[in-house]
This record gives sequence, structure tokens and C-alpha cells, in this order.
Amino acid sequence: EPEVTQTPSHQVTQMGQEVILRCVPISNHLYFYWYRQILGQKVEFLVSFYNNEISEKSEIFDDQFSVERPDGSNFTLKIRSTKLEDSAMYFCASKVGTGDGYTFGSGTRLTVV
Amino acid sequence: GENVEQHPSTLSVQEGDSAVIKCTYSDSASNYFPWYKQELGKGPQLIIDIRSNVGEKKDQRIAVTLNKTAKHFSLHITETQPEDSAVYFCAASLGDSNYQLIWGAGTKLIIKP
Repeated sequence: EPEVTQTPSHQVTQMGQEVILRCVPISNHLYFYWYRQILGQKVEFLVSFYNNEISEKSEIFDDQFSVERPDGSNFTLKIRSTKLEDSAMYFCASKVGTGDGYTFGSGTRLTVV
Repeated sequence: GENVEQHPSTLSVQEGDSAVIKCTYSDSASNYFPWYKQELGKGPQLIIDIRSNVGEKKDQRIAVTLNKTAKHFSLHITETQPEDSAVYFCAASLGDSNYQLIWGAGTKLIIKP
């Protein structure tokens, strides 16, 4: 069964550093998403991406964050100048079309120290 | 905006018994309601979903019911098995295009042998 692949599974970074979280969505999917889950809290929407541009973003997704689909297969989330409160599980998801369900990756656990 | 409440936060049932998890939502315009299962160290996996034009949907031991008037939907798992132990999340969205999922807080389901 096709999978959404996320790397790395765990990333530890120092406060103030930049991190790039990588995702390879399922190949025929057209819609891409990032969600995050802070330990013990709800899953939160960050951003959706379609047709090479952001289609929706949450209040969390400020200038510190950016997304890119650099080569037609990877979908990356960049966090500039990380803060302690950015520590969370980050999930990438994709889907084929507007009426379909999401497929989530296994997540990247980001720990900012 | 939409808000999804999920209960209970923890549910412990005897193997073979049924489990019911309930969610309420606030935005009457929401029309897509998925349920996800998350096992330790993995991303959320879609187990069943329902759209607002349907009142009930069943897939083997799993069923979801939707009451649009009351704005609540429930997950029913019958004949529970040890492998059903996981965290279950409900979510709601406007369903079409890129609309984000709004998540419940999750229910930790424990199946006692």
C-alpha cells in the first residue's frame, strides 16, 4: 500500500537553529498538508499546499515557517530560528483530490533544546 | 471557527465488549467527519469516515453514526480485540477542496484481556 514517508523520524536541534522536515507524499496525490501535535495536545493544522502554492494556513504558520515542493516529489517544512515551543510531532499528509481522505506519514518528532 | 470536543479521554473495555467514542462539533457547515487510529510511534491512520448526507456507515466491526441536528458523531467498535488498543481521534472539516481538519483531543482505548 502506498505510504507517505517522512524523514527524519526524530530531530534534535538547538534553539535558534533552522530545521527542514522532509516528506515524500504518495505519487499521484495532489494536495499536501502539514499538521503538528504538541505532546498531550490536539493535532493542529499548519498549512495546505496545492498546485505549487499555499492554499490555506493557520495562525501558527507565521513567517517562521515555510513550505516548498522543490522537485515534484519532496514536500518540505522549514522552521527558521526554532523556539522551545516548536517541539512537537510534525505530520505530513497528502490526498488525491478534494473529496478524499488523507494519508498521514509517521511523523517527525522535533525536539528543540 | 469549528471546535471539536471528544469524550472520553480514556476508555477501558474488556476484550470482546463494545467501545463507543463520542464527538461533538460546533460548525453546522462541517460535512466530513473522519476517524483516525494512532498507534504508538505511528501517524494517524484513517479507519472510517462519514459525510453529512449519510447517517451511519459500517465497515466490519467499526461503525460511525452522525446526528446532524445535534451536531454529534460517534465511533462504535464491536467485539473489541487487543489490537484495537490505540488512541482514536475524531475530526471535522468542510470536506471539499483544501479545508483543514479540526481534531478532537483523542481517546486512549485500552482493551483488557
